[in-house]
Amino acid sequence: KAGVTQTPRYLIKTRGQQVTLSCSPISGHRSVSWYQQTPGQGLQFLFEYFSETQRNKGNFPGRFSGRQFSNSRSEMNVSTLELGDSALYLCASSVQGKNTEAFFGQGTRLTVV
Amino acid sequence: QKEVEQNSGPLSVPEGAIASLNCTYSDRGSQSFFWYRQYSGKSPELIMFIYSNGDKEDGRFTAQLNKASQYVSLLIRDSQPSDSATYLCAVFMDSNYQLIWGAGTKLIIKP
Repeated sequence: KAGVTQTPRYLIKTRGQQVTLSCSPISGHRSVSWYQQTPGQGLQFLFEYFSETQRNKGNFPGRFSGRQFSNSRSEMNVSTLELGDSALYLCASSVQGKNTEAFFGQGTRLTVV
Repeated sequence: QKEVEQNSGPLSVPEGAIASLNCTYSDRGSQSFFWYRQYSGKSPELIMFIYSNGDKEDGRFTAQLNKASQYVSLLIRDSQPSDSATYLCAVFMDSNYQLIWGAGTKLIIKP
């Protein structure tokens, strides 16, 4: 069974640009959550999608958005990139989110210059 | 008070000894508890998941839940240098329907 796949693995962008990251969950998993991880802040929750609906959202500005498709694949978009957006972006999939194990992808390392 | 708290460490344990990691949580109604291991530069990897009703053992790892005191612990027996990593505790909070993460404990196993 294939694991969670995130693309791309590495990305370098310039301030002010926008970026789209992709996450393909484990087959049969309908919940996809996105996290930002930086050395000083740990894992910060961005949002969770379940059956194409955003079910929960963390405390990030509106520049961060996401969506989920009917095949459960998810994308997140960051517009007007800032230097502080440089981080490891992780997605995790689970069967239904609540009370079920979440499995992480390898992450996308975003560097904003 | 943070919703999920862990001692950041580092926790240094000699090889072969038992490593004990703790995590406290604030939502008394929480029922799902997770332990993840994260090596530097890698993504978190699920080690243990316990649901509400007590201890669970898997190989060298044991997760223990104390609902009365609202903490969950992870014991690693016969610690190996390869166990050196950051261990993240996560608790599913029914109050806001969200998986809440601790900041992680850095564990160092000394040969």
